[in-house]
Amino acid sequence: QVQLQESGPGLVKPSETLSLTCTVSGGSISNYFWSWIRQPPGKGLEWIGYIYYNGNTNYNPSLKSRVTISVDTSRNQFSLRLSSVTAADTAVYYCARVGGYYQLYYYYMDVWGKGTTVTVSS
Amino acid sequence: DIQMTQSPSSLSASVGDRVTITCRASQSINSYLNWYQQKPGKAPKVLIYAASSLQSGVPSRFSGSGSGADFTLTISSLQPEDFATYYCQQTYTTPYTFGQGTKLEIK
Repeated sequence: QVQLQESGPGLVKPSETLSLTCTVSGGSISNYFWSWIRQPPGKGLEWIGYIYYNGNTNYNPSLKSRVTISVDTSRNQFSLRLSSVTAADTAVYYCARVGGYYQLYYYYMDVWGKGTTVTVSS
Repeated sequence: DIQMTQSPSSLSASVGDRVTITCRASQSINSYLNWYQQKPGKAPKVLIYAASSLQSGVPSRFSGSGSGADFTLTISSLQPEDFATYYCQQTYTTPYTFGQGTKLEIK
């Protein structure tokens, strides 16, 4: 059974770069899209972007200038970097597998990490 | 971006009630619509994908319908564990967008 685990600093200073890693266990990172989603305190869900195991990416335009998602297939991990953070980037960050029927373009987040809280504060 | 609007934003209901939550997209998204359940402090869990397909392991009291721009999630007989927040999500095109959520509370 595939499991995801986010890791990284829980506190980041304003203007610095947020860096998180998602480790995939119980299955291979190959042949799937992998996504990052965040949720500010008390608010809804925001899709950040995804990466295919071959490295192809797609980002939310609202964050595109600051976001980089990368993959390390040898470690079964993918990562998120968000630069120039502000208090508005304070959120729970989730990594998720994009499951579904790829041939029919039916995608959904079928496996999620537990989430990690990142606070932006000096 | 495609805007997803859920109604109501909150809902009070009793165990055994039939509940319907609505999600409307700002344009047609065919059937590329998913529903998630989120409990406090937990990650979301997919219930319905492709508008009406029940995810494996999800109780059959959950059902989804709709296509185009209007969709519904129905819980046929509320159970105590169903009190949570529900989100719709479109995956018709990126950026994938979520509704604002519907909080289902115990009456």
